[in-house]
Order: sequence, then C-alpha cells, then structure tokens
Amino acid sequence: GAVVTQHPSWVICKSGTSVKIECRSLDFQATTMFWYRQFPKQSLMLMATSNEGSKATYEQGVEKDKFLINHASLTLSTLTVTSAHPEDSSFYICSARRATRGVETQYFGPGTRLLVL
Amino acid sequence: GQNIDQPTEMTATEGAIVQINCTYQTSGFNGLFWYQQHAGEAPTFLSYNVLDGLEEKGRFSSFLSRSKGYSYLLLKELQMKDSASYLCAVDDYKLSFGAGTTVTVRA
Repeated sequence: GAVVTQHPSWVICKSGTSVKIECRSLDFQATTMFWYRQFPKQSLMLMATSNEGSKATYEQGVEKDKFLINHASLTLSTLTVTSAHPEDSSFYICSARRATRGVETQYFGPGTRLLVL
Repeated sequence: GQNIDQPTEMTATEGAIVQINCTYQTSGFNGLFWYQQHAGEAPTFLSYNVLDGLEEKGRFSSFLSRSKGYSYLLLKELQMKDSASYLCAVDDYKLSFGAGTTVTVRA
C-alpha cells in the first residue's frame, strides 16, 4: 500500500516557539494532502487541504496565520504551528489521496504528537 | 453541513461478531470509508464503499445503503487485537469523520 510519513513523530516545545511538521508521500505523488488534528478521545478534525503549487484551503475556525501550510512539491507538505501555546498540544495527522484501481483512498501518516509547555 | 453518527462504545467477546452502524447526512457523497485506529496511532484503512451493497475483505465486511444514508462495518471472529476505535468517514473529496466507536474485545 501507499506510504505516508511524518517527521517528527513527537515534539515538545516551549510556549511561543514555532514547530514545523513534515508530511511526505514516499512512493506516489500527491497533488493534495490533508492536515488533521485529534484531541484525546475525539475524532479527527480536518484543519486544511494542502494543494501543490497553490494556497491551502482552511476549514472554518482554523487560523491560517497560525497554522502555515506549504505544499512545495508533489511529495511534501509542511505544517508550521506558529507561536505555539499549550492549547495547541494535540495529535497532528496528515493524509494523501491516491487512486488505486480507480478507487481514491486517503492514506494517513503515522501522526505527530505535539506538547507545548 | 456534515452529520455522521456512530455508537460511542461496543463490547464483545473473543470469537464473536460485532456490527458497527453509521448513519450520515452530508452535503456531498463520493463514498464511505471505514478506518481502524489503535490508541496513540494514526488511522489505517479498512474498507471503502461507493455503491450499495456489501464489500467483504476477510474478517471485515462493510455495507452501504446510499438511499438510507446508512453503512455498517461487520467484524467477524473477533480477536483481542481488534480492540480499537473504528471511524466512519464520508468522502466528499475531503473526509468528514464520525466520532468513532471504541470496540473492546474481552476474552
């Protein structure tokens, strides 16, 4: 199956610092990637859709100036949490769409756990 | 808007069968996914339905009725490792997830 990786897998940072998370599709090209956030015992919430070569599309309530998304190539999207605060502590997961035998499936990265102190 | 409902928790014994229901009301529909998520891990793909009917993949089967806005995931011959959260997600190009059903398998 398709492989999507994320780096780092976990990060601890001080309040006010910025954190960059990378999402890569290893064996396929993804023109669109998605960024999700998941708080404990809650489901995944879509934050934004990352489009290669164009601006990301953010979901309602997600601050685009706080969560910067850059989809610089067909295999890499980055999410930067700027001026992180403790309430940004969460599990961040990316996904990429890939068509296999005519079926488009979203494959998820392993997630990045962020803890802001 | 998107409204996707599934039960919060289910418990079953090893070797049994469990059926997780999902009902949805969404503005668009390109298919329905089921994902499995173990605690602390990202979701993994289980099944995809776009046409009405049953899709079978080993111990897991998924059913879809588009006219009723209804799907279910059937887990057969339950094993302890099947204890996880199961997420129903409607595809409207971007996925909208239900809250997830936590399945606990007891010996």
